[in-house]
Amino acid sequence: SQKIEQNSEALNIQEGKTATLTCNYTNYSPAYLQWYRQDPGRGPVFLLLIRENEKEKRKERLKVTFDTTLKQSLFHITASQPADSATYLCAHRGSQGNLIFGKGTKLSVKP
Amino acid sequence: DAGVTQSPTHLIKTRGQHVTLRCSPISGHKSVSWYQQVLGQGPQFIFQYYEKEERGRGNFPDRFSARQFPNYSSELNVNALLLGDSALYLCASSLLEVHNEQFFGPGTRLTVL
Repeated sequence: SQKIEQNSEALNIQEGKTATLTCNYTNYSPAYLQWYRQDPGRGPVFLLLIRENEKEKRKERLKVTFDTTLKQSLFHITASQPADSATYLCAHRGSQGNLIFGKGTKLSVKP
Repeated sequence: DAGVTQSPTHLIKTRGQHVTLRCSPISGHKSVSWYQQVLGQGPQFIFQYYEKEERGRGNFPDRFSARQFPNYSSELNVNALLLGDSALYLCASSLLEVHNEQFFGPGTRLTVL
């Protein structure tokens, strides 16, 4: 079955550093991957989408890469701030048009 | 413009009871999807409705049902509640049936005792 995995449950970094989160997929080749941010008790908020033919995409301090050889997407936050602390979810679209999410990585940025 | 709204915000029920959760999509959005998120997991797909018809269903028992109304709002119903149904229930709307970006509501926190 199609699996999407975010192997790190939690990531702690110092303010100003670059946070790098990993999303791996197996048994399929998604046409695109999406990244969402979720704050406690709130719904996910869409951040970025990257297609399989795009190696990299940027939005302000965010950067996403897509490596179809490694079957992996990396999500980077540069110059991280405590306000970036949240859970970040990777997702792809399933056969029914739904989103299939990873478990998420909880990022904590310490001042 | 208002985003996706859900009601109620929180709900406490006991085992065996029934619950109805409500969702209003963003104005102009015709697709509504429901997701269940238990603590420490990503959201899991329950249903998708587009133009009042069910277009997708996740791996959930028949105790879960939903519908979409002519104004595109939606209800999720869960019968014979189990302790394991305790979760954050999220509604997401999108413009089209298959659309890249989904807009999520704040969720309904359901606790089953």
